[in-house]
Amino acid sequence: EAGVTQSPTHLIKTRGQQVTLRCSPISGHTSVYWYQQALGLGLQFLLWYDEGEERNRGNFPPRFSGRQFPNYSSELNVNALELEDSALYLCASSSRDSDTQYFGPGTRLTVL
Amino acid sequence: QKEVEQNSGPLSVPEGAIASLNCTYSDRGSQSFFWYRQYSGKSPELIMFIYSNGDKEDGRFTAQLNKASQYVSLLIRDSQPSDSATYLCAVGVEYGNKLVFGAGTILRVKS
Repeated sequence: EAGVTQSPTHLIKTRGQQVTLRCSPISGHTSVYWYQQALGLGLQFLLWYDEGEERNRGNFPPRFSGRQFPNYSSELNVNALELEDSALYLCASSSRDSDTQYFGPGTRLTVL
Repeated sequence: QKEVEQNSGPLSVPEGAIASLNCTYSDRGSQSFFWYRQYSGKSPELIMFIYSNGDKEDGRFTAQLNKASQYVSLLIRDSQPSDSATYLCAVGVEYGNKLVFGAGTILRVKS
């Protein structure tokens, strides 16, 4: 069974640009979670999508947004990139009746 | 008060020893508890989950849960250098993103 997949693996952007990260959950999973992990820091919760709806968001500005598609894949959009947005962005998924989250390999974003 | 607390470490143990990682949580209503392993630059990997008080063993790993004292621990027997990583404790909650993560404990196994 395929795990959570994310694309791209690495990304380099400059300040002020916009970026879109993609995530495909494990087959059968309906929830997708996005986390930010800056270098040397812990996981910071960004967004939770379930059944196409945004269920909750963490303490991040509105320039961080996303959506979930009918096939349960998800996108994370970050507008007006800032240097401190440089981080590993992790996507996780879970099934409808479980709170166990499985993580994808992540997307490493570098903002110059 | 942080919801899930872990000693940041690093915890250093010799190869072959038992590594003991601890985690405390604040939400008494929590029912599910998870341990993830994260190698540097990689994503977290689920090691174990535990729902009931007591011990749960899986190979060299044993998770221990004490809901009355609100702590969960992970024991790694016969520690290997390949076990060197950051170990994240996560606790299930009925709000937010459903899991609250601790900041992680760095484990170093020295050969």
